[in-house]
Amino acid sequence: TQLLEQSPQFLSIQEGENLTVYCNSSSVFSSLQWYRQEPGEGPVLLVTVVTGGEVKKLKRLTFQFGDARKDSSLHITAAQPGDTGLYLCAGETNFGNEKLTFGTGTRLTIIP
Amino acid sequence: EAQVTQNPRYLITVTGKKLTVTCSQNMNHEYMSWYRQDPGLGLRQIYYSMNVEVTDKGDVPEGYKVSRKEKRNFPLILESPSPNQTSLYFCASSRFRDRVGLASEQYFGPGTRLTVT
Repeated sequence: TQLLEQSPQFLSIQEGENLTVYCNSSSVFSSLQWYRQEPGEGPVLLVTVVTGGEVKKLKRLTFQFGDARKDSSLHITAAQPGDTGLYLCAGETNFGNEKLTFGTGTRLTIIP
Repeated sequence: EAQVTQNPRYLITVTGKKLTVTCSQNMNHEYMSWYRQDPGLGLRQIYYSMNVEVTDKGDVPEGYKVSRKEKRNFPLILESPSPNQTSLYFCASSRFRDRVGLASEQYFGPGTRLTVT
């Protein structure tokens, strides 16, 4: 079973600060997805990266897929209270399998 | 509106009393899956289905059953629930990837919080 480790597990910062969340594995993934989950709801997809070294931006969020496709990072610039939530990375491996392996999550709290 | 629905949202039951959590999606997705979410363990896949009448075990299938008689529905059955099945359960669906390089976006339901006493 592939493991995806996320760090930090918890992060609490002031509004306006920058932060980076990491997702690491010893396995190679064909793609990696980032989800955000808010209390009482299911995870919602933020972005998918499929090419080693790929960088995608979603407003103040920047996602990067490692060159070897084993790791990824999420960087948030000028964090806002609306960014508060549980961030999950999830990796896909075998084509035709559709199986996602989820990381343990990073619980982010932005203090106004 | 494209969505995945689950029922019930909350359930408290006793050990050994059979229960079913329903899941339905209106996006004509081939792939459906059940996860459980526990603190510190993240989301773990219980069962998945690639299409009608095609189901397979995920990472933590013990104590659960599923069926896929229709494309839109994927119920999760606990024949004899035990306290260690107390958890937050999510159903998800996605379109089947039809070529290499595409990633499947999974749409999640709102979750079912189950407590077994």
